[in-house]
Amino acid sequence: DTEVTQTPKHLVMGMTNKKSLKCEQHMGHRAMYWYKQKAKKPPELMFVYSYEKLSINESVPSRFSPECPNSSLLNLHLHALQPEDSALYLCASSPRVGEIGTEAFFGQGTRLTVV
Amino acid sequence: AQSVAQPEDQVNVAEGNPLTVKCTYSVSGNPYLFWYVQYPNRGLQFLLKYITGDNLVKGSYGFEAEFNKSQTSFHLKKPSALVSDSALYFCAVRDRGSTLGRLYFGRGTQLTVWP
Repeated sequence: DTEVTQTPKHLVMGMTNKKSLKCEQHMGHRAMYWYKQKAKKPPELMFVYSYEKLSINESVPSRFSPECPNSSLLNLHLHALQPEDSALYLCASSPRVGEIGTEAFFGQGTRLTVV
Repeated sequence: AQSVAQPEDQVNVAEGNPLTVKCTYSVSGNPYLFWYVQYPNRGLQFLLKYITGDNLVKGSYGFEAEFNKSQTSFHLKKPSALVSDSALYFCAVRDRGSTLGRLYFGRGTQLTVWP
């Protein structure tokens, strides 16, 4: 299994809603990432988890709250988002943060629209 | 500081012709270099990488890339383009000195192959 699975594929939420994005991989990878991507732009790194611990937070607003409950699962909890947060949210994984010669595997993304 | 430049926003080529998507990089040491492809509303798919060794790297779907240290370039090539190659292509770099595995992406190049 060489897949990173993200759910849901599409999400529309109001600015007062609370929702969560889910990411799952069963490749035994111990590094997991959240990226945000606007249309026709490169992905922007948001968070990095290494061995289920948060290693990098790229100064992301607190309305985005990541969680890594186990080595296979990564969540992104959303609360009080703004319309400008609408984007494609990508999850990725790689074997270990220190093995930088290995490629990252990306999920298909969640298309988020904030109304 | 690490950075990647993709000088062309758009590359257009006729089916059957060779294609080149350009990438130059700037890192503090020797780089790990990657190419990813993204189809509309999808995640990023890994194409190929340069870690060490032979400067010509072969990857998925008939793509290859040539690492040129003196020109700090890693251009993506394919001898004969297909219409199905039309997509957004990202070059990315990791610094060998990084322990956090952060990928730095170029801005992307939209490749259009017309029949």
